[in-house]
Amino acid sequence: QKEVEQDPGPLSVPEGAIVSLNCTYSNSAFQYFMWYRQYSRKGPELLMYTYSSGNKEDGRFTAQVDKSSKYISLFIRDSQPSDSATYLCAMSAGGNNRLAFGKGNQVVVIP
Amino acid sequence: EAGVAQSPRYKIIEKRQSVAFWCNPISGHATLYWYQQILGQGPKLLIQFQNNGVVDDSQLPKDRFSAERLKGVDSTLKIQPAKLEDSAVYLCASSPRTYEQYFGPGTRLTVT
Repeated sequence: QKEVEQDPGPLSVPEGAIVSLNCTYSNSAFQYFMWYRQYSRKGPELLMYTYSSGNKEDGRFTAQVDKSSKYISLFIRDSQPSDSATYLCAMSAGGNNRLAFGKGNQVVVIP
Repeated sequence: EAGVAQSPRYKIIEKRQSVAFWCNPISGHATLYWYQQILGQGPKLLIQFQNNGVVDDSQLPKDRFSAERLKGVDSTLKIQPAKLEDSAVYLCASSPRTYEQYFGPGTRLTVT
């Protein structure tokens, strides 16, 4: 079983729709949960991070962490064509522990 | 604030040749990372530096890859000799905290 599972299947949605992305993980030591956005031919950029369980909202983006189920989600409301990118989940136990990344989800928002 | 700088942006080499990548992190960030990202995959950590010291190099193929961080600032990653399977994007990142990593644009390596 991989440490972080993220279904890499591409996702196409019409502009204005809600985008829902998720990852599962197996390492119960993970405490920090991140979502990175990566545009084509660019490096990943940190979108949101959450410590432990709970929800976090930032504008049109909401991150949810359910540690009991080892499941995290990212929701994008009122999606825009500029949201078209690959979204990577990443997790860490903190301290000097490395980030474990999912494979990424390619999202295309159609105008 | 300037971001993480990397060079070159693109490199094409033949197998068995050597190649080197350079990274300049964000000023003040003590931790520097090198990642390998193969097409369709998430980044895989190759090596992590804390100032001058290596924190984690467990996934670095040490028979062909080497990295150093000079004076706790710039870093270079070298591959010698390159193999076809080394074709990937090599990302450098720096951070003030593990969960808050800032990535450079990457170097796209093609080994033919």
